Amino acid sequence: AQSVTQPDIHITVSEGASLELRCNYSYGATPYLFWYVQSPGQGLQLLLKYFSGDTLVQGIKGFEAEFKRSQSSFNLRKPSVHWSDAAEYFCAVGAGSARQLTFGSGTQLTVLP
Amino acid sequence: EAGVAQSPRYKIIEKRQSVAFWCNPISGHATLYWYQQILGQGPKLLIQFQNNGVVDDSQLPKDRFSAERLKGVDSTLKIQPAKLEDSAVYLCASSAQRGNNSPLHFGNGTRLTVT
Repeated sequence: AQSVTQPDIHITVSEGASLELRCNYSYGATPYLFWYVQSPGQGLQLLLKYFSGDTLVQGIKGFEAEFKRSQSSFNLRKPSVHWSDAAEYFCAVGAGSARQLTFGSGTQLTVLP
Repeated sequence: EAGVAQSPRYKIIEKRQSVAFWCNPISGHATLYWYQQILGQGPKLLIQFQNNGVVDDSQLPKDRFSAERLKGVDSTLKIQPAKLEDSAVYLCASSAQRGNNSPLHFGNGTRLTVT
C-alpha cells in the first residue's frame, strides 16, 4: 500500500522569503502525486499534480513541485511567500490513478510579516 | 462551475446520538468520496462511490457508519451511534469519470463535535 510522509509539522517563514515543503512517498510504481492547500474552515484546494512527463510541474498561486524518483520525493516550492499563503498543505499519492488518494499528515505554514 | 456542496457546516451532538451529513457533488461527476479528517491529520478515505455503486468502503466503520448515493448524485453519510472519537471534519469530494487523471474536488466539509 502507498504512504506519504510530510516530515515538517509546522514551518514558519517571513513574507517574501522562499519556501520548500517536503514530501516523501512510498509506492512501487510511478505514482500520481498531488499538493493540496487547506485554509481554516475550508476544504482542500488542488495546487498542482504530477502524473507523468516533465518532472517539474507548475501550479496555481506561483507554486511548483519537482518529482524526484530516486529520492521518492515531491517537494513543493515557492520563490516568494505571501501572507495569504498561510495555511495547511497536504501532499497526496494516488496508486495507479488520481482517484484513491492517500494523504500525508500535513504541514502548517505560518507567514511572518 | 459550482463546487461540491456540503451541509451542515457544523454539528454538535452528544455521544450515542445519531447524525447525518449531506453532499451534492459537482454536476456530472460520477465519482463521489467521503473523507474523515481528524484534527492534526490528513484526510482518510471512508467510502468511494462510482455512480450509485460502492467502489471502496474498506475503511468505513460499518458498525456505526453508513453511506448511500441512491440516485447517483447526492450522498448522505450517517453515524449511529456517535462516539467521542468521531469528532472530525467530514469532507466530501467528487471527480469526473473520464480516465484516471481526474483530480478530486473537495467541499468545505462538515465539522462534527461529539461531546
